[in-house]
Amino acid sequence: DVKVTQSSRYLVKRTGEKVFLECVQDMDHENMFWYRQDPGLGLRLIYFSYDVKMKEKGDIPEGYSVSREKKERFSLILESASTNQTSMYLCASSLGTSDWDEQFFGPGTRLTVL
Amino acid sequence: KQEVTQIPAALSVPEGENLVLNCSFTDSAIYNLQWFRQDPGKGLTSLLLIQSSQREQTSGRLNASLDKSSGRSTLYIAASQPGDSATYLCAVSPRGSTLGRLYFGRGTQLTVWP
Repeated sequence: DVKVTQSSRYLVKRTGEKVFLECVQDMDHENMFWYRQDPGLGLRLIYFSYDVKMKEKGDIPEGYSVSREKKERFSLILESASTNQTSMYLCASSLGTSDWDEQFFGPGTRLTVL
Repeated sequence: KQEVTQIPAALSVPEGENLVLNCSFTDSAIYNLQWFRQDPGKGLTSLLLIQSSQREQTSGRLNASLDKSSGRSTLYIAASQPGDSATYLCAVSPRGSTLGRLYFGRGTQLTVWP
């Protein structure tokens, strides 16, 4: 079974802090994704990556950056956390052999910025 | 831009009922459609994936159908149980989108009471 893990289930940070959210997949997937989920807005794509060191912006990249130094790990970085970044963050991965590969999700990180 | 709508937003039924969740999407040019389940505060669990060339998929008490030409999918749950209580999300992967990125509906929150 594909396993996608996220470093923290719950995280509390202060405004202005630099925050790292880590995601690791164990199935040698090429593609990885970061979404955020907010009540009434659903899931929105922040960034995605199709190879090591390769990344593309999603629909709401402002205030975020990403890093993919190794194939299995995709990090989401909040350079200076703000209260409007309080949200549930979900990581996903897919095989990458086709554009219709199934996506597999991690358990999520609930981030609160005070 | 692809838009995905799920109706109803919430549903409450007694145990044992057969029920239907609806999903519609605006652009019929898709690679696939996925149905996910999300328990409160948790990540997404993939339930069924229907490729664009398929009409339906079944897993246990779940059956998902796809009518691409009308931009609709339904998730049928037979003999509902309290353990089915969760939010159900549908997502489509539009043709031409990078890496098969997904567009999500806002979900149907299902409560099955004993």
